Amino acid sequence: DVKVTQSSRYLVKRTGEKVFLECVQDMDHENMFWYRQDPGLGLRLIYFSYDVKMKEKGDIPEGYSVSREKKERFSLILESASTNQTSMYLCASSSPSRLGNTIYFGEGSWLTVV
Amino acid sequence: QKEVEQNSGPLSVPEGAIASLNCTYSDRGSQSFFWYRQYSGKSPELIMSIYSNGDKEDGRFTAQLNKASQYVSLLIRDSQPSDSATYLCAVKPGAGNTGKLIFGQGTTLQVKP
Repeated sequence: DVKVTQSSRYLVKRTGEKVFLECVQDMDHENMFWYRQDPGLGLRLIYFSYDVKMKEKGDIPEGYSVSREKKERFSLILESASTNQTSMYLCASSSPSRLGNTIYFGEGSWLTVV
Repeated sequence: QKEVEQNSGPLSVPEGAIASLNCTYSDRGSQSFFWYRQYSGKSPELIMSIYSNGDKEDGRFTAQLNKASQYVSLLIRDSQPSDSATYLCAVKPGAGNTGKLIFGQGTTLQVKP
């Protein structure tokens, strides 16, 4: 079974803090993703990585950065957390193919910024 | 126009009925289509994928794809209360092979005992 692990499930951070969300996948997938999900707004892509050290902005990259130093690990960084970044964050991975691209999600990280 | 559209619902069906969930997409070149189920407070999990026009069946679930109409649907037969969840439609755009999927906002299904 594909396993995508998000180490922090529930976090409470103060405004202005630097926040790291870590994600590890064990299926040797090339692609990794960070989404946030908010009621009424659906899943929104923050950043996408298709290879080690490679990244691409998604739909809402402002206020976020990412790091992918190893193939299995993809980190999301909130440089200075703000209350509007309170959300559920989902990490995902997939292996590229012409048709497939099934995306597998981690369990999610619930972040509250106070 | 949103790229992937779903009726947000809630769609309410009685236990044992057929639930029909619909999704339309705007990119005519799209090739791959996915249905995910998401329980409240949980992450999405893949139910089915479909790539060719027609029907694809897996147990109580049937995915239907009509590329000419840019329409994909999910039928759930003999609906159970445990099927109550939000169902997300996802589409792989036709251009490139970046691995990104475009998700609809999801349809909430309620199966009443």
